[in-house]
Parts: sequence; C-alpha cells; structure tokens
Amino acid sequence: QAVLTQPSSLSASPGASASLTCTLRSGINVGTYRIYWYQQKPGSPPQYLLRYKSDSDKQQGSGVPSRFSGSKDASANAGILLISGLQSEDEADYYCMIWHSSVGVFGGGTKLTVL
Amino acid sequence: QVQLQESGPGLVKPSQTLSLTCTVSGGSISSGGYYWSWIRQHPGKGLEWIGYIYYSGSTYYNPSLKSRVTISVDTSKNQFSLKLSSVTAADTAVYYCSTVTNYAVFDIWGQGTMVTVSS
Repeated sequence: QAVLTQPSSLSASPGASASLTCTLRSGINVGTYRIYWYQQKPGSPPQYLLRYKSDSDKQQGSGVPSRFSGSKDASANAGILLISGLQSEDEADYYCMIWHSSVGVFGGGTKLTVL
Repeated sequence: QVQLQESGPGLVKPSQTLSLTCTVSGGSISSGGYYWSWIRQHPGKGLEWIGYIYYSGSTYYNPSLKSRVTISVDTSKNQFSLKLSSVTAADTAVYYCSTVTNYAVFDIWGQGTMVTVSS
C-alpha cells in the first residue's frame, strides 16, 4: 500500500470549490506530519503551493493566492488541499508530499479538470 | 533569485551510469541557505525524490535508490551532480534539480531534463 494515496482525477466547475485529498497509509498518523502541496502544469516543473500541519503551523507559498488552503481530516487520516473560486488556470496535476522517516514521499497526484 | 539548470546526456545505455549536472545561478551554492536535491518523474507518472546534498557534502538518499545513487557538489563551479549507476529502462524519466529550504520545501526547480535509457 502506498504511503500517500490521491484520487487520480477530479472535475469541478469554474467558480466552485475543489477538495483534493491525500490519504496516509494506515499506521501513519496524519496529525504528526506537515503535508506539502505542489501544482504541476503540462511541460513545467512542479510549483510549491503550501504546507499544512495545523492552523498554527502552516505556510503559503510565495505568490500563491489565498484561495488555495490546506487542512486535515483526522478521521480519514488525510490531508486536504482546498481550492476555492476555481479558475481555468487551476487545471493541473496536484501532488501531496510528506517527509516520512527523513525520506521525501510524493502521492501519485490528482489531475484536476476545470470544466 | 536562484535559478537552476539541468544538463547531461539525454540517452544512456542500459547498465551504464547516468550523469547529470545542475548549475546554480543567481546565488551561491555555498551560502548555506538551501539543501540541493534531485527528483525524477517517470513519463506520465508521479514524482520520486532521489536525494539531497548540502554544500558541505553531507548527503541523504532515498533508500529505494541508495545503492545506485551518488550526489556530489562542486562549489567552485556552483554545481551539484547526480550519478545513477546500472541504469535500466525503469530509470527513464525527467530529472529535476531543486532547492530544499529549511522548511523542507522544494522551492525552486529546474526545467527538467529527459533521460531515456535505451540501447
């Protein structure tokens, strides 16, 4: 079982909100990790969006709009990237990432389609 | 503003060693502000962290690749490098170099270089 699991795809309408989940493998407690989120558009390297551990331990990437935000669902053992007020330019692949036992681990990514 | 540029052969034969260099501009690799990392992305797939190095030479590698990976730094050239030995087709990927901040963020990325392993 992968350390981080993301839905392969998600579709949402312009102006709506999209909630992208990143589920941690059973036995790995989401509460103890900073979850990092990256956005990647075709033909470009990933770009850092934000990291979230708690409301008191979070960081927005430089220039990243506030409509991108992070949270957690402890009951689901998952990190969440919430994108509000979806725009066509938000169509991209989104990757979550944690440092697990000092090893950088990425989720498989979610392809977000805005239509 | 720091910028990164990967360079190296785009085609490597199976069993040989893949060698890539990341040239740092706009800042000194010896400044101590960053760790320097390699990440790869298999075609159409997700991201895989390979490892990182500090300017002092200390390294940390992904255990899944550790036996085949060497990351080194050349402060005189403001470059750091990746060597991956005994490559197979499974090592075909886009290879990115990146900075790692003190908050463990992959902050600045190179544009990436595609490496194909094929005879």
